[in-house]
Amino acid sequence: KAGVTQTPRYLIKTRGQQVTLSCSPISGHRSVSWYQQTPGQGLQFLFEYFSETQRNKGNFPGRFSGRQFSNSRSEINVSTLELGDSALYLCASSSYGYTFGSGTRLTVV
Amino acid sequence: EDQVTQSPEALRLQEGESSSLNCSYTVSGLRGLFWYRQDPGKGPEFLFTLYSAGEEKEKERLKATLTKKESFLHITAPKPEDSATYLCAVPNQAGTALIFGKGTTLSVSS
Repeated sequence: KAGVTQTPRYLIKTRGQQVTLSCSPISGHRSVSWYQQTPGQGLQFLFEYFSETQRNKGNFPGRFSGRQFSNSRSEINVSTLELGDSALYLCASSSYGYTFGSGTRLTVV
Repeated sequence: EDQVTQSPEALRLQEGESSSLNCSYTVSGLRGLFWYRQDPGKGPEFLFTLYSAGEEKEKERLKATLTKKESFLHITAPKPEDSATYLCAVPNQAGTALIFGKGTTLSVSS
C-alpha cells in the first residue's frame, strides 16, 4: 500500500517568489492536512481539506493558500516568499489516524 | 485554549538506561492522543494512539500510557537506534487538526 507522497522533496527559492507544494494521500483517504515545521515553533497546522472542501485553517497569513482536487491530491501555494517561510512542510493523510509524508524542505534565500 | 506540552525538551541516556517522556495536554473532549517518532529530515512516524485514561500500548522497547491530564512514553533499555525526536499530539475539538507538542529529542549513546 503506497504511503503519502510529497513532491518535491527539496526546494530553494528566492525572497518574493512563489512556490507550490504537492501531496498525494494514501489511496482512499479523503482528508489531507498540512503542517509547517520549524526549529523554533515546532509543527504548526496550516490547512485541512476533506472532499475538496477546506474545513479548517491555521493562523497563517493570506500568502498561504491551498486546495484539494477530486482525486484527493492536495497542493499548497505560498506567494511572496519570506525568509521565515523556510521550513519543512508536512502533509498528513487521515482516515482513523494520521499518516505523514516525508515532507518538502523549502529554503528561501 | 487547547495545548500540548512535552518534557523534557532533550534527554541523553546511556544504552540500557530506562526513562520516561512526558506529554501533558489541555483539550476539551479528548479524541485520542498520538505519539510519533521523527528522525532528522523525515516526516513523523506513527507509534501509538491512546483513547482513554488507563489505556496502555507497547511496541518493542516503548510503552505509552494515558491519564486524564497526561501521557507517558516509557523507554526500557534503550538502544542507540532509539535516538530521535518523539512527538505527542491531540486532535482539536473539531477533529480537523492535530495540536503538537514541541517534542523531546532523545539521544542514546553506547
